[in-house]
Amino acid sequence: DAKTTQPPSMDCAEGRAANLPCNHSTISGNEYVYWYRQIHSQGPQYIIHGLKNNETNEMASLIITEDRKSSTLILPHAPLRDTAVYYCIVSAGGSEKLVFGKGMKLTVNP
Amino acid sequence: DTAVSQTPKYLVTQMGNDKSIKCEQNLGHDTMYWYKQDSKKFLKIMFSYNNKELIINETVPNRFSPKSPDKAHLNLHINSLELGDSAVYFCASRQGIYGYTFGSGTRLTVV
Repeated sequence: DAKTTQPPSMDCAEGRAANLPCNHSTISGNEYVYWYRQIHSQGPQYIIHGLKNNETNEMASLIITEDRKSSTLILPHAPLRDTAVYYCIVSAGGSEKLVFGKGMKLTVNP
Repeated sequence: DTAVSQTPKYLVTQMGNDKSIKCEQNLGHDTMYWYKQDSKKFLKIMFSYNNKELIINETVPNRFSPKSPDKAHLNLHINSLELGDSAVYFCASRQGIYGYTFGSGTRLTVV
C-alpha cells in the first residue's frame, strides 16, 4: 500500500505556481520523498526527491516540513503541458521498489 | 539516445500465445524493474533485478518470467496470454537513491 495521501485532483491557471500537497505521516528516517508525474499514457517521469532539506531543480521545488510528515511540490509558472497525474512516493532508495498510489490529477487551465 | 527503451511499443495477440517484451537501458544503472499499469491506471511493480539477480518478485503468475542476460537488459516473457494480461507494461532502471527512469511503455492487448 502507498504510504502517502494526496488530494485526487487540483486545477491551476496557466502561468501560475501550482502547489501540490502530500502527506506522509508514517515516513521512516531513511526514506526519501520522491515526486513523479505521468502525462497521459507516457512513462512516469521523475521530477525531484528529497530527504529533509528543501530541494530545487529545473523542473520544480520540493518543500519538506521539519517533522517530515508532509511535503509540497511547487511547479513555478505552470504551463499547459504540466497537466498530468502527479505521484508522491516515499522510498528508502537503493533497490527498494516504488509503490505508486492513485496520485493527483493536476489540470492546468488556459 | 533513449535512456530506457522498450520494444515493441504495441503488441496485439491472441489468447494462449506466448510473447516477449524487451527492455534495454544505456544509463549504466544496476537495478531494473517491470511495472504493470492496468485499465484503472494503477502502476504495480512486478519484478526487480539488481545486477542480473532477481530481488523483487511480487505475486505475479508464473506465466510471467523475467530474464536479465546482463545488467543493461531486462526482458519479460509471458506464456499462455490471458485477456486479463492486457495492460501497459513499463520498464524502469535506477541507481542508488536517484529517481527511476521509465521507458515509454508497451501496450499489450490480448484478444
